Amino acid sequence: DAKTTQPNSMESNEEEPVHLPCNHSTISGTDYIHWYRQLPSQGPEYVIHGLTSNVNNRMASLAIAEDRKSSTLILHRATLRDAAVYYCILRDDNTDKLIFGTGTRLQVFP
Amino acid sequence: EAEVAQSPRYKITEKSQAVAFWCDPISGHATLYWYRQILGQGPELLVQFQDESVVDDSQLPKDRFSAERLKGVDSTLKIQPAELGDSAMYLCASSLLGQEAFFGQGTRLTVV
Repeated sequence: DAKTTQPNSMESNEEEPVHLPCNHSTISGTDYIHWYRQLPSQGPEYVIHGLTSNVNNRMASLAIAEDRKSSTLILHRATLRDAAVYYCILRDDNTDKLIFGTGTRLQVFP
Repeated sequence: EAEVAQSPRYKITEKSQAVAFWCDPISGHATLYWYRQILGQGPELLVQFQDESVVDDSQLPKDRFSAERLKGVDSTLKIQPAELGDSAMYLCASSLLGQEAFFGQGTRLTVV
């Protein structure tokens, strides 16, 4: 299973943009890059995913490096409700396996 | 909005007893996952089903854990006998092939 590397924690102020990095140097051609987040005392929730091109949705943007060995989740304006653990995951399109790492704990300050 | 249902939400059991968790995935979702999450860590995949078939159970402690998904719909995860180290959150998730996974609220197990 291809692995991802994320910083343990990051901080942001409310209403500022947040860039959460993820390294995945062993990514294979069939791996999609998925991001999930987990709020305290809840199950993980899907944020966004992509293969090669940058992606936008109502929650966030995903910027994928040209060589696909890294990606960045962008929260355009952090709110207090965005405080959570963010997981970057490589999902194999052949097996649908979803393997979580340790994630990045994001703290948002008012 | 469709949800993944799990029960019970909380369970306290004595060590060496049997315990079971139930998961009802979103209708039509062929893929079902069971995860164990110890406090402060990321979810650990225990077993993955595709319809009624197990496609990955490499991290499932098979001497005490079992999982089934009869008829390819709802699923049960069982632990027998429970040990103190099994105290954790047990999460179920489901998805369509290749699509995002939806997680339930989980079952928090405490073994005393």
